[in-house]
Amino acid sequence: SQELEQSPQSLIVQEGKNLTINCTSSKTLYGLYWYKQKYGEGLIFLMMLQKGGEEKSHEKITAKLDEKKQQSSLHITASQPSHAGIYLCGAGGAGNKLTFGGGTRVLVKP
Amino acid sequence: GAGVSQSPSNKVTEKGKDVELRCDPISGHTALYWYRQSLGQGLEFLIYFQGNSAPDKSGLPSDRFSAERTGGSVSTLTIQRTQQEDSAVYLCASTQDRGLYSPLHFGNGTRLTVT
Repeated sequence: SQELEQSPQSLIVQEGKNLTINCTSSKTLYGLYWYKQKYGEGLIFLMMLQKGGEEKSHEKITAKLDEKKQQSSLHITASQPSHAGIYLCGAGGAGNKLTFGGGTRVLVKP
Repeated sequence: GAGVSQSPSNKVTEKGKDVELRCDPISGHTALYWYRQSLGQGLEFLIYFQGNSAPDKSGLPSDRFSAERTGGSVSTLTIQRTQQEDSAVYLCASTQDRGLYSPLHFGNGTRLTVT
C-alpha cells in the first residue's frame, strides 16, 4: 500500500508568517488530496492535485505536486489564527483504499 | 445540502460492551469509507463499501469489528467486546466515486471512549 510521510509533524508560526508542509510518497501519486481538520471536527477538503507540476491556490493556501509526482507541498502565506489545525495529505483513487499521512499540527500564535 | 452525518458524536462505554456507530452518507454517494483516528495519529483505514460490490474489509483490526451498509446508504460500524485500545475517533466518509479523482467528504466523527 502507499505510504505517505508528512513533515514537520508540528509547526508553530507567528501570525503573518508563511509556512510550508511537505508530503512525500513511497510511490507515484495518482491523485493527491489535502485536508484540514480542526479539533472535534471531520476533515475539510482543501485541494486535489493530479498532474505532475500542477499547482493550485485557494485564498492564501497553495498546493503543488512535483514533476515526479512523489512529493507535494502545502504553503500558507501570511498565516492567520484561522489556519490553525491539522493538515493531512491523502492519496489513492476512487475504488482504492485511500491512505493518509500522519498529519501536521499547525499552531498560529497571535 | 446535507453533509455526511455520524451518530453519536460521543460515546463512552465500559470495557467488554458492544457499540454501534452510525454513518449517513451524502445522498447519491456510492462509496463509503470508515477510518479510525487515534490520539495524535493519522487516519487508519478500516473498511470501504462501493455500490453492491463486496466491501474491502482489509483494514479491520480484529474480528470484533464489523460493518454493514444497508440499501447502499446508511452504514453501521459495530465493535464487540470493546477494549481500551479501541478508544479513538471513528470517521466516516463518502464520495460519488465518479472516477479516479473523487475527494472524500467526511463526517465529524464519533469519539469513542472505552473505560
